[in-house]
Amino acid sequence: AQKVTQAQTEISVVEKEDVTLDCVYETRDTTYYLFWYKQPPSGELVFLIRRNSFDEQNEISGRYSWNFQKSTSSFNFTITASQVVDSAVYFCALTSSGTYKYIFGTGTRLKVLA
Amino acid sequence: SAVISQKPSRDICQRGTSLTIQCQVDSQVTMMFWYRQQPGQSLTLIATANQGSEATYESGFVIDKFPISRPNLTFSTLTVSNMSPEDSSIYLCSVERAGTYEQYFGPGTRLTVT
Repeated sequence: AQKVTQAQTEISVVEKEDVTLDCVYETRDTTYYLFWYKQPPSGELVFLIRRNSFDEQNEISGRYSWNFQKSTSSFNFTITASQVVDSAVYFCALTSSGTYKYIFGTGTRLKVLA
Repeated sequence: SAVISQKPSRDICQRGTSLTIQCQVDSQVTMMFWYRQQPGQSLTLIATANQGSEATYESGFVIDKFPISRPNLTFSTLTVSNMSPEDSSIYLCSVERAGTYEQYFGPGTRLTVT
């Protein structure tokens, strides 16, 4: 069975601090996809990134970076120099090739304090 | 990414009644999905709705309670029938960007059942 674990329920940081959100996944499939979504207080889910199982390269997009490590089944998300606007719930998700069904983690609530 | 709208954005309903939620996409998509997010919880897939076929429901969700229509490639509805307070949730539709496994979500419908 597939599973996504986000062990951090809530994290509070002060503005400009760096913060890493952890995501650990379980799957027996060899071809799968991992995602991060942001859910601000407005409620809409915003797509941040997709990573497929064959691509272990880390990715950077502005202040956001992602570290995918198959050896530890982790797909962690780091925000550099956090800002108040980064305050949201962040979800990690997993799906396998051919299924389209997302398995979501329980989410991590990030509070960035001014 | 597709632009997705949902109606209504929120509603307060009496128990025993039904509510139909609409999801409109600005481009033709094959796969649409309906999710439920109970207060403070993660997202759970209700069903997958493909145009021209019956919706496929996940375990724990049945057509009598959550009938879905998919009359064309840009529109779908989800009805929450015979509502109870336990149905109070955010209901989100999403679409898959063809061939990518990426899902993009609508703004959600916040339903409160009293």
